[in-house]
Amino acid sequence: QKEVEQDPGPLSVPEGAIVSLNCTYSNSAFQYFMWYRQYSRKGPELLMYTYSSGNKEDGRFTAQVDKSSKYISLFIRDSQPSDSATYLCAMSVNAGGTSYGKLTFGQGTILTVHP
Amino acid sequence: DSGVTQTPKHLITATGQRVTLRCSPRSGDLSVYWYQQSLDQGLQFLIQYYNGEERAKGNILERFSAQQFPDLHSELNLSSLELGDSALYFCASSSSHWTLPSNYGYTFGSGTRLTVV
Repeated sequence: QKEVEQDPGPLSVPEGAIVSLNCTYSNSAFQYFMWYRQYSRKGPELLMYTYSSGNKEDGRFTAQVDKSSKYISLFIRDSQPSDSATYLCAMSVNAGGTSYGKLTFGQGTILTVHP
Repeated sequence: DSGVTQTPKHLITATGQRVTLRCSPRSGDLSVYWYQQSLDQGLQFLIQYYNGEERAKGNILERFSAQQFPDLHSELNLSSLELGDSALYFCASSSSHWTLPSNYGYTFGSGTRLTVV
């Protein structure tokens, strides 16, 4: 069993829909939770991050972390065709730098938003 | 432009050969990470360097090695290449600690697409 599980989709939604992306994890030591967006033939770019449990909102994006359930979510409101990409959840025990900042990624969910 | 530069962008080589992938981290970042992305395995951590020293190893094959130089650029060496080594190889860099929104997490380069034929 993988440390981080993410439904690879693909997920296809109409423009304007609310999108829900989810990951579950097994390592209770994870403290830092991130969502990356990856466009085709590009490197992943950081979209949202959360430390420990709670919600975080940034424009049309909301990230939720429930450490008790080992479950994280990303919601995209009013989805746009430009949101079409692969979304990867990522988690870390430590905060990088001198400590061990390895990120463990989910498989990624391919999202297509059609006009 | 993310600030992390990877060269070359594409590489096609034959089985049994050796290649070197190069990465220049974002200005000021001391940590460099190498990841392999394949369709079946997703993004897999290979190795981390911090200010020239190896910090952590992941699922890196013995045929693979890396180093970080005094100017902080890093190289990933892949030898005795096999068909299964075909993948996207990403380099990422991060600052000393993820304390601010501007330096949280990693910044990834655009990757090197390696095709072994």
